[in-house]
Amino acid sequence: AQSVTQLDSQVPVFEEAPVELRCNYSSSVSVYLFWYVQYPNQGLQLLLKYLSGSTLVESINGFEAEFNKSQTSFHLRKPSVHISDTAEYFCAVSRNSGYSTLTFGKGTMLLVSP
Amino acid sequence: DTGVSQDPRHKITKRGQNVTFRCDPISEHNRLYWYRQTLGQGPEFLTYFQNEAQLEKSRLLSDRFSAERPKGSFSTLEIQRTEQGDSAMYLCASSFNPGTGPTYEQYFGPGTRLTVT
Repeated sequence: AQSVTQLDSQVPVFEEAPVELRCNYSSSVSVYLFWYVQYPNQGLQLLLKYLSGSTLVESINGFEAEFNKSQTSFHLRKPSVHISDTAEYFCAVSRNSGYSTLTFGKGTMLLVSP
Repeated sequence: DTGVSQDPRHKITKRGQNVTFRCDPISEHNRLYWYRQTLGQGPEFLTYFQNEAQLEKSRLLSDRFSAERPKGSFSTLEIQRTEQGDSAMYLCASSFNPGTGPTYEQYFGPGTRLTVT
């Protein structure tokens, strides 16, 4: 079985400041890793994913995450946040073989203020 | 818009009543998933289908819950004899997988928020 830990339930930050949202996972098998974002009153949207290859993955809106196998982490970073980045961010993991479903963390609410 | 749709978006029901939710996946997607999300938690897996076959059910899916995907297209999730603890957001997601391999990406619907009074 897999599990995901997002230690920070809420991260307040000022606009244009950098941010890091932490995600650690536990699994006995190899995994795929995902970050989903949920804007207020909207459904979950995939932000970025790690399947294989380069351990640094990027999204189209400036977020990036790095897969660190030794630390079992997949932290999400952005060098300069915008007000519009205010949302809840979920880290998720799935097995990378066979039938697989997503196991989510509890989420981190990113609050960007002017 | 050809995304995943769910109906209704909101449902208020009295304890003991039965409710049914519908999910329409993206048309070419053969896998369909149901999740439940409670306040302050991430989505928790309930069950999933590959085409019309229900392949996995979570232990969260008690006997009061049943899901179907009769023709491999839309799916329904029914909760019988609802309890206050069933109050949650019920999320549907879909994906396309050509075989029995892992899922690369799931697309989520907006969810159905259930309130049991």
